[in-house]
Amino acid sequence: DIQMTQSPSTLSASVGDRVTITCRASQSIDSWLAWFQQKPGKGPKVLIYKASILETGVPSRFSGSGSGTDFTLTISSLQPDDFATYHCQQYSRYPGTFGQGTKVEIK
Amino acid sequence: QVQLVESGGGVVQPGTSLRLSCAASGFTFSNYGMHWVRQAPGKGLEWVAVIWYDGTNKYYADSVKGRFTISRDNSKNTLYLQLNSLRGEDTAVYYCARDRVGGAAKTFDYWGQGTLVTVSS
Repeated sequence: DIQMTQSPSTLSASVGDRVTITCRASQSIDSWLAWFQQKPGKGPKVLIYKASILETGVPSRFSGSGSGTDFTLTISSLQPDDFATYHCQQYSRYPGTFGQGTKVEIK
Repeated sequence: QVQLVESGGGVVQPGTSLRLSCAASGFTFSNYGMHWVRQAPGKGLEWVAVIWYDGTNKYYADSVKGRFTISRDNSKNTLYLQLNSLRGEDTAVYYCARDRVGGAAKTFDYWGQGTLVTVSS
């Protein structure tokens, strides 16, 4: 299976901060990477797919980049609604595997 | 709007069985592949199984192969997961999620709110 390593595990930030989360694959996955946001007690919500394509309705402060093995999710200006846990997922091949998650907390 | 509503979770003893359901609405269910993904308490997400839009292909995680069975009833817009021979490590919130395509996309565009399965003696 392809292993996904996400960092950091926890991130403390303030409203207005620029936030970056990284995800590394154990082998090349081209651009077959998605990012999800999850709030407590809720199912995840897709933010980005194919590494950099913003899902319809997702604010433009979210962006994704990378290809091969190294990927980044950036929130350009953190908003109160963005405090949540973020997951990356590779879907290059079955089984689709996830990173361990990054919790974005209020500083 | 797309809605996925899971049900059927509960507290069960090791070795027993459970069937989860996911009622879909707001889209043409028979056009989309469907997945089950689980999340153990305090842990990350783990993909469990997928079924193609027409039920012709099914794939499972190694951790559940031979114990869990995914199925669907397109006439009822409902996805199922039969969980047999349950173990403590199966304790998790189980989410159903829609594939971006017919089943081949291997990623998801909508998720339900989840149903909790607790396996404990």
